[in-house]
Amino acid sequence: QAVVTQEPSLTVSPGGTVTLTCACSTGPVTSGRYPYWFQQRPGQAPRALIYDTNNRYAWTPARFSGSLLGGKAALILSGAQPDDEAEYYCLLNYGVAWVFGGGTKLAVL
Amino acid sequence: QVQLVQSGAEVKKPGASVRVSCKPSGYTFTAYTMQWARQAPGQGLEWLGWINPASGNTRYSQKLQDRVTLTGDTSAGTVYMDLSSLTSEDTAIYYCARLHPTGSYWGRGTLVVVSS
Repeated sequence: QAVVTQEPSLTVSPGGTVTLTCACSTGPVTSGRYPYWFQQRPGQAPRALIYDTNNRYAWTPARFSGSLLGGKAALILSGAQPDDEAEYYCLLNYGVAWVFGGGTKLAVL
Repeated sequence: QVQLVQSGAEVKKPGASVRVSCKPSGYTFTAYTMQWARQAPGQGLEWLGWINPASGNTRYSQKLQDRVTLTGDTSAGTVYMDLSSLTSEDTAIYYCARLHPTGSYWGRGTLVVVSS
């Protein structure tokens, strides 16, 4: 089974920009992995932010965007807010199966 | 509005089985595949499998495919996750989730504790 790797932790200043990445052990992440990104705050269920690489849901703040960068899926947060401090997970498709990344704990300091 | 309502917390002995239910509302039950994931205390998310409620087709993670079973009851509008031969490593919050470009929704989770 593929292993999906994310940065364990990142820090961003309020108003700053940060890029979270999602890499796959089997090779470059492509749009065919249909990357999802989720935000999870402590004690809450995850909430989907991005689907199919770069598509926001209606509830996703515009400061979040998704893309492919250097063979990885990426979640870019521009203009970080204190409320964005959370754990972020990517999810990749492998045919009939899905695999979550290990998560990135994002601090806004 | 879409909601996924899950069953309540469970405490089980090692070796036992557990069933967690997930009842969606706000959309046609058979229209969307339901995913299942879990999260052990202080750990990340782990994908368990999915079920197509319309066909009953399922797929499971390689790690758990021998112990997990997903089923759907169209008359009750409910999907179920059964996990057998429980060990302490199965202690986790279990989530159902509808993931789709038209909208992604998660249940609030069901805590399953395995303890002697």
